[in-house]
Amino acid sequence: NAGVTQTPKFRILKIGQSMTLQCTQDMNHNYMYWYRQDPGMGLKLIYYSVGAGITDKGEVPNGYNVSRSTTEDFPLRLELAAPSQTSVYFCASLAGPTSYTFGSGTRLTVV
Amino acid sequence: KQEVTQIPAALSVPEGENLVLNCSFTDSAIYNLQWFRQDPGKGLTSLLLIQSSQREQTSGRLNASLDKSSGRSTLYIAASQPGDSATYLCAVRGGFGNEKLTFGTGTRLTIIP
Repeated sequence: NAGVTQTPKFRILKIGQSMTLQCTQDMNHNYMYWYRQDPGMGLKLIYYSVGAGITDKGEVPNGYNVSRSTTEDFPLRLELAAPSQTSVYFCASLAGPTSYTFGSGTRLTVV
Repeated sequence: KQEVTQIPAALSVPEGENLVLNCSFTDSAIYNLQWFRQDPGKGLTSLLLIQSSQREQTSGRLNASLDKSSGRSTLYIAASQPGDSATYLCAVRGGFGNEKLTFGTGTRLTIIP
Protein backbone atom coordinates (compact mmCIF):
# COMPACT_ATOMS: atom_id res chain seq x y z
CA ASN A 1 0.00 0.00 0.00
CA ALA A 2 1.25 3.46 -0.89
CA GLY A 3 1.99 5.74 2.00
CA VAL A 4 4.39 6.54 4.81
CA THR A 5 5.45 3.65 7.04
CA GLN A 6 6.95 4.20 10.49
CA THR A 7 8.56 1.61 12.72
CA PRO A 8 8.39 0.80 15.56
CA LYS A 9 4.93 1.86 16.71
CA PHE A 10 5.89 1.83 20.38
CA ARG A 11 9.20 1.86 22.23
CA ILE A 12 10.41 2.30 25.78
CA LEU A 13 13.98 3.50 26.20
CA LYS A 14 16.10 3.96 29.27
CA ILE A 15 17.85 7.27 29.84
CA GLY A 16 21.10 7.37 27.87
CA GLN A 17 20.14 4.69 25.36
CA SER A 18 20.06 5.33 21.64
CA MET A 19 17.65 4.26 18.92
CA THR A 20 16.64 4.92 15.33
CA LEU A 21 13.09 5.62 14.27
CA GLN A 22 12.50 4.36 10.75
CA CYS A 23 10.44 6.13 8.10
CA THR A 24 9.87 4.89 4.56
CA GLN A 25 7.65 6.22 1.78
CA ASP A 26 6.92 4.60 -1.56
CA MET A 27 5.43 7.61 -3.34
CA ASN A 28 8.74 8.99 -4.66
CA HIS A 29 8.21 12.20 -2.70
CA ASN A 30 11.14 14.56 -2.43
CA TYR A 31 10.18 16.30 0.78
CA MET A 32 10.18 14.41 4.06
CA TYR A 33 9.71 15.61 7.63
CA TRP A 34 10.01 14.52 11.21
CA TYR A 35 7.67 16.02 13.82
CA ARG A 36 7.14 15.41 17.49
CA GLN A 37 3.86 15.89 19.32
CA ASP A 38 3.80 16.32 23.06
CA PRO A 39 0.54 15.68 24.97
CA GLY A 40 -2.09 18.33 24.24
CA MET A 41 0.19 20.18 21.88
CA GLY A 42 0.54 20.67 18.17
CA LEU A 43 3.32 19.19 16.11
CA LYS A 44 6.82 20.66 16.16
CA LEU A 45 9.28 20.17 13.32
CA ILE A 46 12.50 18.36 14.23
CA TYR A 47 14.24 17.92 10.87
CA TYR A 48 13.27 17.93 7.24
CA SER A 49 14.73 16.97 3.88
CA VAL A 50 14.04 18.32 0.41
CA GLY A 51 15.72 15.40 -1.34
CA ALA A 52 18.28 12.65 -1.03
CA GLY A 53 21.48 13.94 0.54
CA ILE A 54 19.90 17.18 1.79
CA THR A 55 18.68 17.72 5.34
CA ASP A 56 17.99 20.76 7.48
CA LYS A 57 17.06 21.57 11.05
CA GLY A 58 13.57 22.42 12.12
CA GLU A 59 12.31 24.05 15.28
CA VAL A 60 13.50 21.46 17.85
CA PRO A 61 16.54 19.56 16.45
CA ASN A 62 18.63 19.22 19.63
CA GLY A 63 19.21 15.61 20.63
CA TYR A 64 18.37 14.23 17.20
CA ASN A 65 20.12 13.42 13.96
CA VAL A 66 18.87 12.46 10.51
CA SER A 67 20.19 11.18 7.22
CA ARG A 68 18.68 10.88 3.75
CA SER A 69 20.70 8.49 1.63
CA THR A 70 17.73 7.50 -0.56
CA THR A 71 14.48 9.14 -1.63
CA GLU A 72 12.48 6.48 0.20
CA ASP A 73 14.07 6.48 3.66
CA PHE A 74 14.44 9.19 6.27
CA PRO A 75 15.54 7.70 9.62
CA LEU A 76 15.62 9.76 12.83
CA ARG A 77 18.37 8.96 15.31
CA LEU A 78 18.12 9.65 19.04
CA GLU A 79 21.44 9.70 20.85
CA LEU A 80 21.57 9.60 24.66
CA ALA A 81 17.80 9.53 25.19
CA ALA A 82 16.38 11.92 27.81
CA PRO A 83 12.94 12.03 29.49
CA SER A 84 12.24 15.26 27.57
CA GLN A 85 12.20 13.18 24.38
CA THR A 86 9.16 11.26 25.52
CA SER A 87 6.69 12.08 22.78
CA VAL A 88 4.88 10.80 19.72
CA TYR A 89 6.95 11.09 16.57
CA PHE A 90 5.41 11.52 13.15
CA CYS A 91 7.07 11.24 9.79
CA ALA A 92 5.52 12.90 6.75
CA SER A 93 6.19 13.32 3.06
CA LEU A 94 5.12 15.82 0.46
CA ALA A 95 5.14 16.06 -3.31
CA GLY A 96 4.76 19.51 -4.86
CA PRO A 97 1.65 21.51 -3.97
CA THR A 98 -0.40 18.52 -2.84
CA SER A 99 -1.23 17.70 0.73
CA TYR A 100 1.04 16.03 3.20
CA THR A 101 0.91 12.31 3.94
CA PHE A 102 1.63 11.32 7.53
CA GLY A 103 2.73 8.05 9.02
CA SER A 104 0.82 6.54 11.93
CA GLY A 105 3.43 7.62 14.47
CA THR A 106 5.90 6.15 16.95
CA ARG A 107 5.08 6.49 20.63
CA LEU A 108 8.35 6.78 22.57
CA THR A 109 8.74 6.75 26.31
CA VAL A 110 12.09 7.46 27.96
CA VAL A 111 12.36 6.26 31.56
CA LYS B 1 8.81 33.18 12.97
CA GLN B 2 5.41 31.85 11.99
CA GLU B 3 3.01 31.22 14.85
CA VAL B 4 -0.33 29.46 14.48
CA THR B 5 -3.09 29.78 17.06
CA GLN B 6 -6.32 27.84 17.32
CA ILE B 7 -9.24 28.99 19.41
CA PRO B 8 -11.00 27.49 21.24
CA ALA B 9 -8.76 24.75 22.61
CA ALA B 10 -11.83 22.59 23.26
CA LEU B 11 -15.43 22.70 22.12
CA SER B 12 -18.50 20.62 22.95
CA VAL B 13 -21.69 20.92 20.92
CA PRO B 14 -24.90 18.88 20.61
CA GLU B 15 -25.28 16.60 17.63
CA GLY B 16 -26.79 18.27 14.58
CA GLU B 17 -25.44 21.74 15.22
CA ASN B 18 -23.25 23.65 12.79
CA LEU B 19 -19.92 24.83 14.18
CA VAL B 20 -16.87 26.87 13.31
CA LEU B 21 -13.26 26.26 14.28
CA ASN B 22 -10.79 29.11 14.06
CA CYS B 23 -7.15 29.30 13.06
CA SER B 24 -4.94 32.39 12.92
CA PHE B 25 -1.36 32.83 11.76
CA THR B 26 1.11 35.66 12.15
CA ASP B 27 2.96 35.64 8.81
CA SER B 28 0.69 36.05 5.78
CA ALA B 29 3.40 34.92 3.36
CA ILE B 30 2.11 31.37 3.17
CA TYR B 31 2.01 28.85 0.35
CA ASN B 32 -1.04 26.98 1.59
CA LEU B 33 -3.03 26.09 4.69
CA GLN B 34 -4.21 22.63 5.60
CA TRP B 35 -6.74 21.28 8.07
CA PHE B 36 -6.15 17.88 9.66
CA ARG B 37 -8.15 15.59 11.87
CA GLN B 38 -6.49 13.53 14.60
CA ASP B 39 -8.28 10.79 16.49
CA PRO B 40 -6.94 9.81 19.94
CA GLY B 41 -3.74 7.80 19.65
CA LYS B 42 -3.79 8.00 15.88
CA GLY B 43 -1.98 9.82 13.11
CA LEU B 44 -3.19 12.80 11.11
CA THR B 45 -5.76 12.66 8.35
CA SER B 46 -5.81 15.50 5.84
CA LEU B 47 -9.25 17.11 5.51
CA LEU B 48 -8.84 20.15 3.31
CA LEU B 49 -5.99 22.06 1.73
CA ILE B 50 -6.34 25.67 0.57
CA GLN B 51 -3.72 27.22 -1.68
CA SER B 52 -2.76 30.81 -0.90
CA SER B 53 -4.60 32.02 -4.02
CA GLN B 54 -7.86 30.35 -3.00
CA ARG B 55 -10.58 31.62 -0.68
CA GLU B 56 -12.23 28.36 0.28
CA GLN B 57 -12.42 24.61 -0.19
CA THR B 58 -15.31 22.26 0.40
CA SER B 59 -15.54 18.54 1.04
CA GLY B 60 -18.90 17.11 2.00
CA ARG B 61 -20.04 18.74 5.26
CA LEU B 62 -16.73 20.56 5.66
CA ASN B 63 -15.90 23.99 4.35
CA ALA B 64 -12.60 25.77 4.96
CA SER B 65 -12.03 29.44 4.23
CA LEU B 66 -8.84 31.43 4.03
CA ASP B 67 -8.28 35.17 4.47
CA LYS B 68 -4.55 35.42 3.93
CA SER B 69 -4.30 39.17 4.39
CA SER B 70 -5.80 39.01 7.88
CA GLY B 71 -4.05 35.75 8.76
CA ARG B 72 -7.20 33.76 9.43
CA SER B 73 -8.84 30.50 8.42
CA THR B 74 -12.05 28.86 9.55
CA LEU B 75 -13.27 25.29 9.33
CA TYR B 76 -17.04 25.04 9.14
CA ILE B 77 -18.66 21.71 9.98
CA ALA B 78 -22.32 21.39 9.06
CA ALA B 79 -24.82 19.11 10.79
CA SER B 80 -22.28 17.73 13.26
CA GLN B 81 -22.26 14.02 14.09
CA PRO B 82 -20.72 12.07 17.00
CA GLY B 83 -18.19 10.66 14.53
CA ASP B 84 -16.83 14.18 14.06
CA SER B 85 -15.42 14.08 17.59
CA ALA B 86 -11.64 14.44 17.26
CA THR B 87 -8.89 17.02 17.49
CA TYR B 88 -8.68 19.36 14.53
CA LEU B 89 -5.32 20.87 13.63
CA CYS B 90 -4.54 23.60 11.16
CA ALA B 91 -1.11 24.01 9.63
CA VAL B 92 0.44 26.56 7.31
CA ARG B 93 3.19 25.94 4.81
CA GLY B 94 5.71 28.70 4.31
CA GLY B 95 6.18 30.69 1.15
CA PHE B 96 8.46 29.92 -1.77
CA GLY B 97 11.69 28.34 -0.60
CA ASN B 98 10.23 27.47 2.80
CA GLU B 99 8.70 24.04 2.75
CA LYS B 100 8.16 23.80 6.49
CA LEU B 101 4.74 23.18 7.95
CA THR B 102 3.83 25.05 11.15
CA PHE B 103 1.01 23.59 13.24
CA GLY B 104 -1.46 25.10 15.64
CA THR B 105 -2.12 23.37 18.97
CA GLY B 106 -5.51 22.11 17.83
CA THR B 107 -9.15 22.26 18.89
CA ARG B 108 -10.53 19.20 20.66
CA LEU B 109 -14.09 18.77 19.44
CA THR B 110 -16.72 16.69 21.22
CA ILE B 111 -20.13 16.12 19.65
CA ILE B 112 -22.73 15.22 22.26
CA PRO B 113 -25.30 12.64 21.05
